[in-house]
Amino acid sequence: GQNIDQPTEMTATEGAIVQINCTYQTSGFNGLFWYQQHAGEAPTFLSYNVLDGLEEKGRFSSFLSRSKGYSYLLLKELQMKDSASYLCAARGGGYQKVTFGTGTKLQVIP
Amino acid sequence: SAVISQKPSRDICQRGTSLTIQCQVDSQVTMMFWYRQQPGQSLTLIATANQGSEATYESGFVIDKFPISRPNLTFSTLTVSNMSPEDSSIYLCSVRSAGGPGETQYFGPGTRLLVL
Repeated sequence: GQNIDQPTEMTATEGAIVQINCTYQTSGFNGLFWYQQHAGEAPTFLSYNVLDGLEEKGRFSSFLSRSKGYSYLLLKELQMKDSASYLCAARGGGYQKVTFGTGTKLQVIP
Repeated sequence: SAVISQKPSRDICQRGTSLTIQCQVDSQVTMMFWYRQQPGQSLTLIATANQGSEATYESGFVIDKFPISRPNLTFSTLTVSNMSPEDSSIYLCSVRSAGGPGETQYFGPGTRLLVL
C-alpha cells in the first residue's frame, strides 16, 4: 500500500528557513518527488531523490532517508513568492506509480 | 524539460455529456499519466496511458467512465463520460522522462472542468 503524511499548514517569516517534513510507507519504493503548487496552477517539479542524503538546488534542498521512510524539503531565504502548497510524492508499487500526499500549504509572512 | 499543452484549458459542461481533453508533449516520452485534483485536495492518479494498448486504470476508475487513447509517444486524450457535478475537477496530464536519479515528472497546465 501507499501512505504519505505531511503537515497541512505551516507559516514562516520572509528571509527565514523552513523545513517541510514528509513520511511515507510505500511498497517497492523507488524515489521521492517534491513539487510546488501555487493556487490555481499546475504543480511544478522541484526535486527527485533516489539515494539517501541531501541534494541542494539553490535556495531549495531535499533530503531522503530510505531506511526511515522520511524526507524533507528545506527552503532558505524565504521570499513572499514561496507561499504555495508543497507536495510530497512517492514512487513505487505496481507500475511504479507516483502517489501524492495531501500537500503542505506554506504561508510566508513579512 | 518537457513542454506539455492541454486543450481545453477550461470548460463548463452539462450533466450527462462527455468531454475529451487533449494532451500534447513537445518530445517523445515513455510514460504519460492522467491525474485529477478535486477542489482543495491533492492529486489522484486516474490511469497510465500506454502507447498502442489499453490504459492501466487505478482503483476506483474505469475505462467506460474515463476512456483514454495514446496513439503515439507525444499525444494522449482523456474523455470524461456521462458527466455529473462530482466530476468537476482539474484534470492534469503528466509525463515522466528518463530514469534513475535524473528522472523528472512534469505536469501540464491542467483542464478546469465544471459540470452543472
